[in-house]
Amino acid sequence: AQTVTQSQPEMSVQEAETVTLSCTYDTSENNYYLFWYKQPPSRQMILVIRQEAYKQQNATENRFSVNFQKAAKSFSLKISDSQLGDTAMYFCALHGSSNTGKLIFGQGTTLQVKP
Amino acid sequence: DTAVSQTPKYLVTQMGNDKSIKCEQNLGHDTMYWYKQDSKKFLKIMFSYNNKELIINETVPNRFSPKSPDKAHLNLHINSLELGDSAVYFCASSQGLGQGSGYTFGSGTRLTVV
Repeated sequence: AQTVTQSQPEMSVQEAETVTLSCTYDTSENNYYLFWYKQPPSRQMILVIRQEAYKQQNATENRFSVNFQKAAKSFSLKISDSQLGDTAMYFCALHGSSNTGKLIFGQGTTLQVKP
Repeated sequence: DTAVSQTPKYLVTQMGNDKSIKCEQNLGHDTMYWYKQDSKKFLKIMFSYNNKELIINETVPNRFSPKSPDKAHLNLHINSLELGDSAVYFCASSQGLGQGSGYTFGSGTRLTVV
């Protein structure tokens, strides 16, 4: 079975500082994709960053970057220069089935950026 | 133009009623999904359709019936609504089943059953 675990229910960070959100996963697939989604209070699900498992280079999108440790099955999200608009719930997700397209989500981490 | 649009955004209804949620995507994607987000914010897949064909039915009660008239639309009909059906329902689409391009989500429908 494929699983995604986010062990930090809540985190907070001061504006302009850096924060890292943790995610571990389990899959028996050889080829898979990992994602971080952001859900602000508006409820909209927004794709933050995407990582292909067969690529060793960590993905980066502006202030967002990941630390992808394939052997350890770890996929953490680093947010640099945190902004008030980063306040949201963050979900780690695994796409591991080319037959179904199913996304498996973690439990989510609520991030509060403080002024 | 909204890429994935769901209507309505809010739905309040009484137990026992039947209701529908509509979803349309203008991205040209082949695959569409329904996800349920419960009160603890946990997201779980309910259904997926690829080119109008049902791919996943994730042990959802028979009271939930998806319908895909074409690959740009995936509607969700719920019969005999129960209190436990209260949740946020998200429609989403992707380019295909295995391309890992990520989903595009609609803005969600908050269903409240009273």
